[in-house]
Amino acid sequence: QQQVKQSPQSLIVQKGGISIINCAYENTAFDYFPWYQQFPGKGPALLIAIRPDVSEKKEGRFTISFNKSAKQFSLHIMDSQPGDSATYFCAVGYSYNFNKFYFGSGTKLNVKP
Amino acid sequence: GAVVSQHPSRVICKSGTSVKIECRSLDFQATTMFWYRQFPKQSLMLMATSNEGSKATYEQGVEKDKFLINHASLTLSTLTVTSAHPEDSSFYICSAEGPNYGYTFGSGTRLTVV
Repeated sequence: QQQVKQSPQSLIVQKGGISIINCAYENTAFDYFPWYQQFPGKGPALLIAIRPDVSEKKEGRFTISFNKSAKQFSLHIMDSQPGDSATYFCAVGYSYNFNKFYFGSGTKLNVKP
Repeated sequence: GAVVSQHPSRVICKSGTSVKIECRSLDFQATTMFWYRQFPKQSLMLMATSNEGSKATYEQGVEKDKFLINHASLTLSTLTVTSAHPEDSSFYICSAEGPNYGYTFGSGTRLTVV
């Protein structure tokens, strides 16, 4: 059973535009929601993470929006740059148990110059 | 920041041989490390949880005799793919719980079995 559903599968954005990637989950017990960025041939790198006690978290051009009632969270990349072109994964997990940590299917972002 | 080093980054081996992949936490101690497998254009699938000083915990469907995990110290976990076959070709990634909240991933190992 897929614990988190991610969309879209791929995304093309013009330089300077806003990239939006969405994830939805079912299990309300999850309390840790990170986003990872992965470049080809490299391991994922933590980009930003949020807990359910806040509705939004911003770090530079990256913002997570969290809707607890809808069980959805999204990543917004403002002023997207060609260097942001990568695959992005959302994940859901439990803050008390990293053994149970589930990744979304990934979104390949292509930012055109 | 927390750094996890994974070695080798690429390896090609003949079918039937064994390959060892190392995962090291460089600037922190990690009692628990995780091993993932990633197929092309797919997400990461957790294979096993490596615990320092004890046996690894394998996810359902992962053959523990084929994917041997050793976590001999607080900074090193190894994954050995035994009697490798072409279907074992994949991208293997380790991660560890760093001092900052969340996983720190290694750079991955591309295994090709010919």
